[in-house]
Amino acid sequence: GEDVEQSLFLSVREGDSSVINCTYTDSSSTYLYWYKQEPGAGLQLLTYIFSNMDMKQDQRLTVLLNKKDKHLSLRIADTQTGDSAIYFCAETPGTGNQFYFGTGTSLTVIP
Amino acid sequence: DSGVTQTPKHLITATGQRVTLRCSPRSGDLSVYWYQQSLDQGLQFLIQYYNGEERAKGNILERFSAQQFPDLHSELNLSSLELGDSALYFCASSVGPGGFTDTQYFGPGTRLTVL
Repeated sequence: GEDVEQSLFLSVREGDSSVINCTYTDSSSTYLYWYKQEPGAGLQLLTYIFSNMDMKQDQRLTVLLNKKDKHLSLRIADTQTGDSAIYFCAETPGTGNQFYFGTGTSLTVIP
Repeated sequence: DSGVTQTPKHLITATGQRVTLRCSPRSGDLSVYWYQQSLDQGLQFLIQYYNGEERAKGNILERFSAQQFPDLHSELNLSSLELGDSALYFCASSVGPGGFTDTQYFGPGTRLTVL
């Protein structure tokens, strides 16, 4: 399968911005996604970006895509304790049916 | 609450056994997807069914099989279980046959422990 990599842990103080990074290898990726997984719960789609976009903003979330470097980031502004979770990036090559997920980044927000 | 239900929530069994995991998609969703989340393999796509037919296949072992029934619920069958099959199994559903903007909604998962 495709390689999608993320750093495993990130710790930030409440009110600061968090930046979660992701790199992928498949140059044919058309859509890239960010999912959030809270403890004991399933994955929740946060946002996605089409590969011909550089940036997408949705309230406190900003997604940046550098297609040349195959680098995706998720910035969470004014991070809150409720943002503590594992964040997965995912990409879909080809037809878009099969998702390849990153390893997940565990975000801890310190009050 | 995503509207996707999975049963059972937890399952403990022994090596060599067979288990069946069940998923009910959101009302109106025709696709069901199965994923395995384990510590060493991360989150992996296993298989997708759309309206009763297999639509896409990922890293699903031959010991595993799935089906989608006429009422659109799906079952994932895991046989000849090994210790390494211990994982969280997620089901997701979407309205359409898949594709980039066909949002997948995830269930809470079934935690399988093989002893």
